Amino acid sequence: QSALTQPASVSGSPGQSITISCTGTSSDVGSYNLVSWYQQYPGKAPKLMIYEGSKRPSGVSNRFSGSKSGNTASLTISGLQAEDEADYYCYSYTGSSSLVFGGGTKLTVL
Amino acid sequence: EVQLVESGGGLVQPGESLRLSCVASGFTFSSYWMHWVRQAPGKGLVWVSRLNSDGSSTSYADSVKGRFTISRDNAKNTLYLQMNSLRAEDTAVYYCARTNAYCSGGTCYRPNAFDFWGQGTMVTVSS
Repeated sequence: QSALTQPASVSGSPGQSITISCTGTSSDVGSYNLVSWYQQYPGKAPKLMIYEGSKRPSGVSNRFSGSKSGNTASLTISGLQAEDEADYYCYSYTGSSSLVFGGGTKLTVL
Repeated sequence: EVQLVESGGGLVQPGESLRLSCVASGFTFSSYWMHWVRQAPGKGLVWVSRLNSDGSSTSYADSVKGRFTISRDNAKNTLYLQMNSLRAEDTAVYYCARTNAYCSGGTCYRPNAFDFWGQGTMVTVSS
């Protein structure tokens, strides 16, 4: 089972929008709209930010949004804030018994 | 409030064993699939193992198959990970996590999203 591919790093200035991609295959991202995104601060546990492609759990800012095109899912953060600086991981349902996360993307707020 | 609290981590030598525990509260533990996910220092998240709600079905990452055993005690709301024959490359923070299901048209897809995570417990394997 191959890992989902994410860019190692992205950056943006406060107030801007950034997008983090998560590229899979026709067996995972492309077949199911069941991609989830996680935010992780250093030394802390991951936190669910987006599930089922575009849904936000209660309490997550509406500045966070998810989408999908073909085999690539995307997390967009609008109105970038300093507190958004963290690592972000994607995960997709595959139907396989073996689960895989994306490699992670470090977001830097300039 | 959903809470997952891991314990049992520590420093062990290569070849030794360790058992991790994860005590759950704030939800009906016996209704959810549970997982262990690990993160080596400075690295990304790596799924380790999962167990279905009644404990009858497991799966493991290839890197731990045959050495690690996941189990649960639904009466005690506790998830376990028995780790044997530990190696240096098993050094990591181990998180327990709950996944939900997506159900549509009579079909349920599990595991869906990892909706709650514990704070993690550190396992260090070193001589």
